[in-house]
Amino acid sequence: GAVVSQHPSWVICKSGTSVKIECRSLDFQATTMFWYRQFPKQSLMLMATSNEGSKATYEQGVEKDKFLINHASLTLSTLTVTSAHPEDSSFYICSARGPGPYSNQPQHFGDGTRLSIL
Amino acid sequence: AQKITQTQPGMFVQEKEAVTLDCTYDTSDPSYGLFWYKQPSSGEMIFLIYQGSYDQQNATEGRYSLNFQKARKSANLVISASQLGDSAMYFCAMREDEFSGGYNKLIFGAGTRLAVHP
Repeated sequence: GAVVSQHPSWVICKSGTSVKIECRSLDFQATTMFWYRQFPKQSLMLMATSNEGSKATYEQGVEKDKFLINHASLTLSTLTVTSAHPEDSSFYICSARGPGPYSNQPQHFGDGTRLSIL
Repeated sequence: AQKITQTQPGMFVQEKEAVTLDCTYDTSDPSYGLFWYKQPSSGEMIFLIYQGSYDQQNATEGRYSLNFQKARKSANLVISASQLGDSAMYFCAMREDEFSGGYNKLIFGAGTRLAVHP
């Protein structure tokens, strides 16, 4: 089945550091990928839709300059948390819609990245 | 307005028994999809089952079935013969075909934590 790989799994870094998270579709091409954020014991909140070869579409309230998204190829999207601060600590998870007919294809998720800013 | 509602923060079930996790949704889009995902404590999102708004029959996948009542706008997940490994967070999600701009965005409910007891 469709596999999405996300790296790194864990990041611990100092406040002010920029952190890059990679999301790869391993066995299919994904023109669209999605980035979510999840706080402890809460649901997934969509941050942005990443489109290959074009600008990402951000959800309302998400800072574009804080969360930079690049979708340079059909198999790779990156999320960069710029100048991260403790309030950016969270679980970030990416997904991509699998190949095949549009109507019934689920999104396949990476394993997520736990980001801790000290 | 909340589009996906999961009213059960937590559920308990005895091993080998069946359990129903509730999900109601709200949309004016005639074409939509409903998904259930499982999230173990490790964090990954595991796709369980899909129901399309035009599907005539309730979806089934092994021990999972979806009780789809379109008029009531409900899409409850039924897990039969519960196993200890079913203990996890369960999320109901909806894709609106018209209002998502063709990007297949998912909107998630708050989730239900299921605990299976031996």
